[in-house]
Amino acid sequence: SAVISQKPSRDICQRGTSLTIQCQVDSQVTMMFWYRQQPGQSLTLIATANQGSEATYESGFVIDKFPISRPNLTFSTLTVSNMSPEDSSIYLCSVEGGLAVYNEQFFGPGTRLTVL
Amino acid sequence: GQQVMQIPQYQHVQEGEDFTTYCNSSTTLSNIQWYKQRPGGHPVFLIQLVKSGEVKKQKRLTFQFGEAKKNSSLHITATQTTDVGTYFCAGVYNFNKFYFGSGTKLNVKP
Repeated sequence: SAVISQKPSRDICQRGTSLTIQCQVDSQVTMMFWYRQQPGQSLTLIATANQGSEATYESGFVIDKFPISRPNLTFSTLTVSNMSPEDSSIYLCSVEGGLAVYNEQFFGPGTRLTVL
Repeated sequence: GQQVMQIPQYQHVQEGEDFTTYCNSSTTLSNIQWYKQRPGGHPVFLIQLVKSGEVKKQKRLTFQFGEAKKNSSLHITATQTTDVGTYFCAGVYNFNKFYFGSGTKLNVKP
């Protein structure tokens, strides 16, 4: 299994500002994922971050709004840009575990973002 | 696009009663995974089903994968208060595309 930490754990931000969320893993992983989970809702994949290449974004998410960095195999950041109250959500990073073709995902504790 | 439907949305049971949540996909899945999220926590992996018709058990939890690999179920026998949380299925397509179901929130009354 992988141990994942996220910073910050929560934040309250003003409309129009940006917040960068950090995700640190205790082992090297190829793929890291960023999800959004609105209160009481399911998880929606924002993008997949691979080291050394640009992130792959899901439909409805764009790089200008959610730029992602992946400088090495243990770290990634997600920035929520030009925030609005609709961005209030929990943001989670995850990694795949194991060497099999289909792998379970291990999630970080999440960052709870509130935009005023 | 792919979509994973999950029912019911909520389930309230008395401790000791059984509980079942169902997932359905519009297209064939590579595999399906199940996660549990406790209130205030993050999703935690429970199990993965890969083969058509597969059945796996974890103590009081029984997981099934349909013959057509389009549906799955999680059944809990004799629920306990520790089972409280939201149960998500995640349909896996094309190796690495995860689509989470909407989740079933389970509440167990002691």
